[in-house]
Amino acid sequence: QVQLQQSGPGLVTPSGTLSLTCTVSGASMASYYWSWIRQPPGKGLEYIGYVSYTGITNYTPSLKSRLTILVDTSKNQFSLKLSSVTAADTAVYYCATDVITFGGVPYGMEVWGQGTTVTVSS
Amino acid sequence: DVVITQSPLSLAVTLGQGASISCRSSHSLVDSDGNTYFNWFQQRPGQSPRRLIYKVSNRDSGVPDRFSGGGSGTHFTLKISRVEAEDVGVYYCMQGVHWPPTFGQGTKVEIK
Repeated sequence: QVQLQQSGPGLVTPSGTLSLTCTVSGASMASYYWSWIRQPPGKGLEYIGYVSYTGITNYTPSLKSRLTILVDTSKNQFSLKLSSVTAADTAVYYCATDVITFGGVPYGMEVWGQGTTVTVSS
Repeated sequence: DVVITQSPLSLAVTLGQGASISCRSSHSLVDSDGNTYFNWFQQRPGQSPRRLIYKVSNRDSGVPDRFSGGGSGTHFTLKISRVEAEDVGVYYCMQGVHWPPTFGQGTKVEIK
């Protein structure tokens, strides 16, 4: 079965770039779309964006100017980079498998990574 | 963005009793292909979310049949027929029809 293993630093300085990686096992990268979701402390879930195995991306509008999601099929990985971070970006970040509708909207999120707690602080 | 309003935000249930969570959407969640892309997730304390229900009423593999989803259009419900201790956590609903996908605020379920 599909498993997602997240990695990346847990502390990022303000105005820096948050970088996380999700390593996929048990499935081909072509089998799914690959999403990122985050959860600020004590709050609910916020969808961030997705990437396909061909590199097609779609980002939530509120983060679009600062966000890059990439895929590396040779390593069975996809990654998230969020630039110019502030304390408001402090959250648990999750990667997840996904499928999308004909309209391009993700609706799956069947399998999730273990989560990475990222704190933005000097 | 589509706003999903969950209620109640907190629920204390006696073991063995039933529970119901409601989600109302600001927009219809019937897609142009006729499907309704509406999911339910469970997040146990300290864990990642786990999908329970997809497309309104389909249980994921391994999900006990005491969990059931229903509804249509803009109103959806998750029912737990006989709450067990392992059901403690926060439950989220989510729509996957309108970009970006959005989640309800979450309902915290605890044992009375």
